[in-house]
Order: sequence, then structure tokens, then C-alpha cells
Amino acid sequence: GDSVTQMEGPVTLSEEAFLTINCTYTATGYPSLFWYVQYPGEGLQLLLKATKADDKGSNKGFEATYRKETTSFHLEKGSVQVSDSAVYFCALIGMDSSYKLIFGSGTRLLVRP
Amino acid sequence: DAGVIQSPRHEVTEMGQEVTLRCKPISGHNSLFWYRQTMMRGLELLIYFNNNVPIDDSGMPEDRFSAKMPNASFSTLKIQPSEPRDSAVYFCASILGTGGYNEQFFGPGTRLTVL
Repeated sequence: GDSVTQMEGPVTLSEEAFLTINCTYTATGYPSLFWYVQYPGEGLQLLLKATKADDKGSNKGFEATYRKETTSFHLEKGSVQVSDSAVYFCALIGMDSSYKLIFGSGTRLLVRP
Repeated sequence: DAGVIQSPRHEVTEMGQEVTLRCKPISGHNSLFWYRQTMMRGLELLIYFNNNVPIDDSGMPEDRFSAKMPNASFSTLKIQPSEPRDSAVYFCASILGTGGYNEQFFGPGTRLTVL
């Protein structure tokens, strides 16, 4: 079945450092890909998405590019802030479902001042 | 907009007791999801409603779990009887339409502890 694999956390960075959180997926065809973020004590929020190969999703300085050839959707940000500390989830919706999000295990990011 | 509202935010109960979790989706949204989040299994979809009708309940772990959506503005997830392994954070989410390609708006979750 479809699945998402994320890098293990926690990821600890200093403020203004460059961030990469790796995400790879297994799915048939062309799934839609998402990054959701969960701040402490809150529910998940959509951060960005991409629905076809080579699309780049971007929001709040975060970016991710849908790479079909490497089945990846890595999350990047050029300069992180303390307020970016959260848990980041990579997810997909496969071609056999219009609604079912398959989530990765989540990666906790801690940004120190 | 108040967002998705869940109650209670925290619930502590003893094994064998009945637990009812409540969700009010965003007004106008016609699809609702219940998820469970645990350290071991991550985020799992339990059940999906569209226009108050359960469309996919394949994620409901066993007969002890049941969910209802009597109207467009209210849903419940019930566990009876509860067991310690049911301890988790339960999220409700809603969207406008049927496709998950649109943003799913999550509530703050209910943290359930079964002793």
C-alpha cells in the first residue's frame, strides 16, 4: 500500500539556519503530496502542497518540490525562526482515493535562539 | 470563524468506562474526518463522513468504537468499553467538498488517557 517515510527527529537548529526535512513516498502513479505542521497543543495545519510532478509548493518561506524520479518531497527553508519549532508531517493522497491522507511519522523541529 | 471545535480537550477515564468525544466542524463544511494519533502508529484515519453519511470506516479499530454524525454541525466518537491501549490524541477535521486535496482543517484534539 501507499506509504510515506520521513527522517527521524528531532532536528535541532540555530535561528537563521537552513532547514531540510527529508520525505520519500511509495505510491502508484501520481499521488498528491502535502506538508502539514503541528504547533504545540494544536491540530495540524496545511503548510503547502503539490499535485503533480515538478510542482513546487511554497508558503511562509517553506518550499517543497514534487520529484517523481526520486519519489521525494523534501521540505526546505532558507532561514528558520524560533517560531518554526513544531512537528512537520509529510503526507500523500493516492490515486485510488480522493480523501484519504497517508501521513509520515512526523519530524520534530526545535529552533534555538 | 471559530474553526473546528472539539470537546473535551482532555479526558481521563478508567478501563471499562464509556468515552464520548465531540466535534463541531466548520460551518458549511460537508466532510468530516476522525483521526487517532499515537507514538506507535502515528496519525491514522478512523472514519470519514460526507454529508453526514459514513463513507469509509475501515480505520475503526474494532466494534468498541463507533461514530455518528446526526447533523452537519455535530459528530461524536464513542468508545465502549475503553481500554488502556485506546490512550491517544483524537483529532477531528473538516473540509468543504469531498476531496482531500483541499486543506483539511483540524481541531485541537482530545487527549484521552485510559487508566
